Amino acid sequence: NAGVTQTPKFQVLKTGQSMTLQCAQDMNHNSMYWYRQDPGMGLRLIYYSASEGTTDKGEVPNGYNVSRLNKREFSLRLESAAPSQTSVYFCASKVGKDSPLHFGNGTRLTVT
Amino acid sequence: SQQGEEDPQALSIQEGENATMNCSYKTSINNLQWYRQNSGRGLVHLILIRSNEREKHSGRLRVTLDTSKKSSSLLITASRAADTASYFCATASSGGSYIPTFGRGTSLIVHP
Repeated sequence: NAGVTQTPKFQVLKTGQSMTLQCAQDMNHNSMYWYRQDPGMGLRLIYYSASEGTTDKGEVPNGYNVSRLNKREFSLRLESAAPSQTSVYFCASKVGKDSPLHFGNGTRLTVT
Repeated sequence: SQQGEEDPQALSIQEGENATMNCSYKTSINNLQWYRQNSGRGLVHLILIRSNEREKHSGRLRVTLDTSKKSSSLLITASRAADTASYFCATASSGGSYIPTFGRGTSLIVHP
């Protein structure tokens, strides 16, 4: 049982480049989330998908887009990367409203 | 914006001692969750406590919730070096979304 799988684990981009962070869960969870973690800031929500076919903005959505491809997969796209997007990105999922999150191991992104 | 705030920001203790971390939050909640993060890894769920519960236990972990004071505490008894990690509280605010909002975390170091 793999849980939540994120790819890639590490990525270095130049300013202006684009990339897509992939996330897949095999737990049949309904809701999926993208957070970013910066030193001293905790985790901040970028986008979430409460159920297949829906996506909504979180606290810090600017510069990002998402796609809930199916129930398993939720991708995060940076169209034109900026140094301010240097961070660790975590994907998480949960089965229902009143249940805990299951996290992937993160993608460490550096934008130069 | 952060809903929960952990206190202290950092805690250093000896193996065998108890560790207590606190979380305060601002608005009414449906539930409060505690997570652990080991260096370079994703977050792992520890305990979820609902707004109508006052205390929960899991092994050496004890969580209390005081909704009148909008605060929670996590107690780790008989700590071990392996408990060294960052600990985060996350709150799911009242209302329909149940989206977890994280604090900045407490960094715990347990010296062998």
